[in-house]
Amino acid sequence: EVQLVESGGGLIQPGGSLRLSCAASGFTVSSYYMNWVRQAPGKGLEWVSLISGGGNTYYADSVKGRFTISRDDSKNTLYLQMNSLRAEDTAVYYCARGGAFGYWGQGTLVTVSS
Amino acid sequence: DIQMTQSPSTLSASVGDRVTITCRASQSISSWLAWYQQKPGKAPKLLIYKASSLESGVPSRFSGSESGTEFTLTISSLQPDDFATYYCQQYNSYQYSFGQGTKLEIK
Repeated sequence: EVQLVESGGGLIQPGGSLRLSCAASGFTVSSYYMNWVRQAPGKGLEWVSLISGGGNTYYADSVKGRFTISRDDSKNTLYLQMNSLRAEDTAVYYCARGGAFGYWGQGTLVTVSS
Repeated sequence: DIQMTQSPSTLSASVGDRVTITCRASQSISSWLAWYQQKPGKAPKLLIYKASSLESGVPSRFSGSESGTEFTLTISSLQPDDFATYYCQQYNSYQYSFGQGTKLEIK
């Protein structure tokens, strides 16, 4: 059974850093496109970042230069390193598999506030 | 970047109604368009991929179609479980993007 479990969210001050994790089971992360998608409170979905099976990475303009997507194939885990966090980064962050996102995690809440 | 314009933002309908939601892409995305349903506090659920392919396990009352850069999600006969928010998403370019969402409410 395919499962994605995010962790690492929490309350962080503006300008701070946080690393999110997404532990995958039931499939091999390196064989699929893997994404981070976020949703600010009461708002719509926003695609954040993608890592391809070959390791190429892509970012939304809103996070380019501040966020880094990566994966650890030995742990079958996806990561999102978030630096220089801003209030507008406050959101539930989901990891999702594919180009069309057939599998999603449950989400982890990141709150950027002083 | 490809912009996805989704309409309407809110839709009021009754059980048994046929409803349509539209998404227009700012440029060609071929058929690389997905539709999702989201309920409060839950992750989105994939309904349709590649514009018109029904995801496994999704009821057949959901369907998708395309005409150029305009895409449509149709629910043929609304059921109580269908009242939720719906999003389109393009995955043609490596800068994916979502529509703004359509909240489907009970009339």
